[in-house]
Parts: sequence; structure tokens; C-alpha cells
Amino acid sequence: QVQLVQSEPEVKKPGSSVKVSCTTSGGTFSNYGISWVRQAPGQGLEWMGGIIPIFGTSTYAQKFQGRLLITADESTGTAYMELSSLRSEDTAVYYCARDRTPATVNWFDPWGQGTLVTVSS
Amino acid sequence: DIQMTQSPSTLSASVGDRVTITCRASQGISIWLAWYQQKPGKAPNLLISKASTLESGVPSRFSGSGSGTEFTLTISSLQPDDFATYYCQQYNTFPATFGQGTKVEIK
Repeated sequence: QVQLVQSEPEVKKPGSSVKVSCTTSGGTFSNYGISWVRQAPGQGLEWMGGIIPIFGTSTYAQKFQGRLLITADESTGTAYMELSSLRSEDTAVYYCARDRTPATVNWFDPWGQGTLVTVSS
Repeated sequence: DIQMTQSPSTLSASVGDRVTITCRASQGISIWLAWYQQKPGKAPNLLISKASTLESGVPSRFSGSGSGTEFTLTISSLQPDDFATYYCQQYNTFPATFGQGTKVEIK
């Protein structure tokens, strides 16, 4: 059974960057895409972007173009989400989730446990 | 981006009630819709994909229907474990987008 395990919570200053990891186990990493979805406190879910390791391609929601970088290390089965120029509005729980197909647009299962990123001066 | 609108935002119900949540898309998405359940402090859990396909392990009291722009999630007999927030998500058109969520509360 595929499981996604994310890195620990982070506290960051405005203007800095954060890098969150998502390690997969129990499945074939490269054949499936990994997406990142965030949830601000008390708010809904927002798809940010994703990567398909087997193709080495990343796609991003327009809102995050230019300050979001999603990468993957096939050797360790780990995907990374790096968000730069952080502002207070980026305070959220960041989830990784496995895409159900290799397509660009997907639905998601399973999900990681989430990583809280707090942006505060 | 395709906007997904759920109604109601909050729903108060009792154990044993039949519950229906509606999700509307701002443009047609065929059957490319998923439903998730999320409990406080936990990650979302996939319930249904392709509008009506129940995921393995999901109780049969959950069902989904619809196509085009209007979809429903029905819980035939609400159980204590079902009090949670439910999200719809379209995957017809890039980027994937979610509804704002429907919180099912105890009446």
C-alpha cells in the first residue's frame, strides 16, 4: 500500500523560502505524478502544482508561477515543493498527494499527512 | 479556471438522516469529478471518482451522481463517523480545482 510521508513543520520569515519533502513507500514512484495542494487555516483546498517523475515534467497553477519549484528524486522516491518569497498569506498546511494517472490534470489518492508552514516575522 | 460551488456550506443532520451535497461547475466537466472527506487535522480522503465510482473500502452508504455541471454526493444513512467536511474537485480542465467544502455537523 502506497504511503506518503512529509517533512516536519516549518516556521519561516516573510521573504524567505521553504522546501517541503514528500517520500513515497510501498509503490512505484516514477509511474505516478505527485501533486501539491495547500489549505490555509479554516479554508478550502488549493492545487498548486505537480510533477511526473517518469517524464521529469512539472506543471504549476498560474498563481504560483515564478515562485514555486517542484522537483523529484527518483533514487529516493522523494518529491519536493519549494515556495519562495513567502508572505503571511502562505501560512497553510501543505499536502502532497499521488496523482491517480500520468495525465496533467488528476484526482488524488493517497495523501501525505500534511506539513504546516507558518510565515511570521 | 473552472469554479466549483458547493451547497450548502454547512449542513446540520442527525444520525440516520439521508444527506445530499450539491456541487456545481462553472462549465461542463463531463464526469470528471471526485469527492473527498476531510476530518479535522487530517488529510483529505478520496471517496468517489468519475462522479459515481466508489473507491475501494468506502462504505456503500456513500454514492455520487451527475454529469456536465451538476453533481451530488449522497449519504443514505448518516453515521457518527461521517461528520466531517466534504469537498468536490474537478479534473476535466487544467488546473484542478476544488469546491469550498461542505461541513456536515451534528444536529
